[in-house]
Amino acid sequence: NAGVTQTPKFQVLKTGQSMTLQCAQDMNHEYMSWYRQDPGMGLRLIHYSVGAGITDQGEVPNGYNVSRSTTEDFPLRLLSAAPSQTSVYFCASSQLDGYEQYFGPGTRLTVT
Amino acid sequence: AQSVTQLDSQVPVFEEAPVELRCNYSSSVSVYLFWYVQYPNQGLQLLLKYLSGSTLVKGINGFEAEFNKSQTSFHLRKPSVHISDTAEYFCARIQGGSEKLVFGKGTKLTVNP
Repeated sequence: NAGVTQTPKFQVLKTGQSMTLQCAQDMNHEYMSWYRQDPGMGLRLIHYSVGAGITDQGEVPNGYNVSRSTTEDFPLRLLSAAPSQTSVYFCASSQLDGYEQYFGPGTRLTVT
Repeated sequence: AQSVTQLDSQVPVFEEAPVELRCNYSSSVSVYLFWYVQYPNQGLQLLLKYLSGSTLVKGINGFEAEFNKSQTSFHLRKPSVHISDTAEYFCARIQGGSEKLVFGKGTKLTVNP
């Protein structure tokens, strides 16, 4: 099993550009989520999904969109990047009620 | 609101010394608690978890934590640390019936020779 994979590993965007961060898991997990990590802030939940076709907002959803068309994939879209979105982004997955979340290696995003 | 407070942002210790990383959570009827470790430039890895049962939880790499309901604490301990334990440690919680993890702000553990 590859576990949770994320692409790209690094990305530099200009303000106003759009992009999609990819996340995939091969563990047949129902729950998937996106976090951003900023120095001194811990990890904060952006969006999450409890299954294909079901998504909901987390603590810091503004500026981000998600969709879940398959169990395996949970992409995160930035429609118009802003410098405040410079961060490290982690995707995670787990079974429902399994509670142990498995994290991907992260995507380091810089917006100039 | 659910919250997790990690009381120390940085903890320096010498190799082979004991260490305790402190975590407090806001009280709740049902709470599940976790410690994750993040090595430099890597993702997060689960160290241990408390869901129910024994209040002393043993995890990987010789770490353990004690769930204390009266003190609303879940401190992480290791009796003798190694250089390789240098990392950032995150305490996190889930409210019963939810999958949403709420993280503390992290504690950077630095083990010096």
